[in-house]
Amino acid sequence: QVQLQESGPGLVKPSQTLSLTCTVSGGSISSGSYYWSWIRQPAGKGLEWIGRIYTSGSTNYNPSLKSRVTISVDTSKNQFSLKLSSVTAADTAVYYCARDGGYSSGWFDYWGQGTLVTVSS
Amino acid sequence: DIQMTQSPSSLSASVGDRVTITCQASQDISNYLNWYQQKPGKAPKLLIYDASNLETGVPSRFSGSGSGTDFTFTISSLQPEDIATYYCQQYDNLRRTFGQGTKVEIK
Repeated sequence: QVQLQESGPGLVKPSQTLSLTCTVSGGSISSGSYYWSWIRQPAGKGLEWIGRIYTSGSTNYNPSLKSRVTISVDTSKNQFSLKLSSVTAADTAVYYCARDGGYSSGWFDYWGQGTLVTVSS
Repeated sequence: DIQMTQSPSSLSASVGDRVTITCQASQDISNYLNWYQQKPGKAPKLLIYDASNLETGVPSRFSGSGSGTDFTFTISSLQPEDIATYYCQQYDNLRRTFGQGTKVEIK
């Protein structure tokens, strides 16, 4: 059973960079043709896809966030990471990592529990 | 970019009622449409993939239909444990987009 767990600071100051890591267990991050995504949800609002990465390092990002987002992968640690630069209060949200089936299977079948990141001075 | 319009934003129904949620895409997305259930404080859970395929372990009272731009999600007989927010999600080869969500409550 694949499990995902987000980790990282719960509080980030405005203008700084938000950094989160998702650790995958119960299987290799490199097995299959899966992508690995980040998704966020501000309190009381809907879900927003941030971007995804394949284990080759290939990435796709939400155009609305593309200029500030970097997603990377470390297959040796079975982890992938999110960096979001120049954060503001609008970036306060629960951040989820999820497994993305890929090109012809674009659904999220495994999710982390989510981690709340607050942007505040 | 493809936009997803989900309606209604909320609904109230009685136990045993048939509940229907719609999702409209701004352009043809074939059957590349998925549905999720999210309960408060929890991560979303995949219910339906590719418009009409029931994820393993999901009760058969949940179903989905549609193709192109218009999609429907149905709960055939609403149960108390179905109280949640439901989201549609489209995908293409580059991006994923969610609908705004529908909050389902018991009347």
